[in-house]
Amino acid sequence: GIQVEQSPPDLILQEGANSTLRCNFSDSVNNLQWFHQNPWGQLINLFYIPSGTKQNGRLSATTVATERYSLLYISSSQTTDSGVYFCAVWPRYITQGGSEKLVFGKGMKLTVNP
Amino acid sequence: DARVTQTPRDKVTEMGQEVTMRCQPILGHNTVFWYRQTMMQGLELLAYFRNRAPLDDSGMPKDRFSAEMPDATLATLKIQPSEPRDSAVYFCASGFGVAEAFFGQGTRLTVV
Repeated sequence: GIQVEQSPPDLILQEGANSTLRCNFSDSVNNLQWFHQNPWGQLINLFYIPSGTKQNGRLSATTVATERYSLLYISSSQTTDSGVYFCAVWPRYITQGGSEKLVFGKGMKLTVNP
Repeated sequence: DARVTQTPRDKVTEMGQEVTMRCQPILGHNTVFWYRQTMMQGLELLAYFRNRAPLDDSGMPKDRFSAEMPDATLATLKIQPSEPRDSAVYFCASGFGVAEAFFGQGTRLTVV
């Protein structure tokens, strides 16, 4: 099945710094989402971005589907940005014996210190 | 404010007891997922429904877990009998087709 790899696995920042998170996927996808899991465990939708670029405040995301990667940018990070960031994809093709389903990467833990 | 609702939020039970977790998907969504999250395994897909029909439950231990959608507004995940290794946070998510999926707040299950 499709592989979703996120990097870096962990990141520690000082408040105000910028960061870029990367999601690589091994096959074509129909859709891609970025989630933030906050310290209380909630999975919050950040972006639904099968291709192109979107911005929401200090966050923006770019997916280049033809090159099989997506980037999440966090600018002027704040302590509330801490948590785990997940990339998830809908594979375009169903592999033999498999089924279409939303596949998650292992996540990237971000810690923003004051 | 449309959201996925899961109950209960927390559940502590003794080994061997039956556990039922419930999920109300967002109205109009036809796709429902059950995921389990642990420190060791991360987010694992347990079961996945489209239009109330199960499409994939390969991630679910069949001997003790069962997932159903009795109607379009309710999905259930049952564990019988529960074991300490089932302790985890169980998430339900819903979406429409392969469009954006939204997660509930999860059920934190502790089996002692």
